[in-house]
Amino acid sequence: DAGITQSPRHKVTETGTPVTLRCHQTENHRYMYWYRQDPGHGLRLIHYSYGVKDTDKGEVSDGYSVSRSKTEDFLLTLESATSSQTSVYFCAIKSSANQETQYFGPGTRLLVL
Amino acid sequence: KNEVEQSPQNLTAQEGEFITINCSYSVGISALHWLQQHPGGGIVSLFMLSSGKKKHGRLIATINIQEKHSSLHITASHPRDSAVYICAVRLMNRDDKIIFGKGTRLHILP
Repeated sequence: DAGITQSPRHKVTETGTPVTLRCHQTENHRYMYWYRQDPGHGLRLIHYSYGVKDTDKGEVSDGYSVSRSKTEDFLLTLESATSSQTSVYFCAIKSSANQETQYFGPGTRLLVL
Repeated sequence: KNEVEQSPQNLTAQEGEFITINCSYSVGISALHWLQQHPGGGIVSLFMLSSGKKKHGRLIATINIQEKHSSLHITASHPRDSAVYICAVRLMNRDDKIIFGKGTRLHILP
């Protein structure tokens, strides 16, 4: 599992509230990614990071922000959650040893009421 | 049109059958991945291919770069192979860009 954990694993919140999801890795990987997975869609990239304080947008970044103040943590924030952000969120890293392989965290299931 | 198309979307088969899942893509790629997502939700990387064929146990993955097509085969299928299989491609010259197919849901009946 490349030492990736996500927290929380499940969350229920209400529209308009802020939500922060945390991805933590223990193996000093440089690249980290946040995806969302929804029925009828493949995994879609929200934001990614290629180093501390270096982040960039993915294809579905609207309504999300990220921060990476240290190598091991990549935070995804929904400033004001909407029902369309109900999804399963996966964090991933790109292996430093094998640059072609991504390893995924266990996922966070978010329900916005 | 999606840049990565998988077929079939759903597949139910009997234990022991030979399974083939297909992936076609319309973009230039540097690598193609096959991933497995179990009912519990965890995603595991099975193969990374840039050419030819790879085998791991009962799983075989092939890629034809000219035809922009890859197949994942499972020999002697077993109920524990039941999962969603996802094809993903890394775009050429865009190390940061991976596009995922929508997945193929496989159900193996005992």
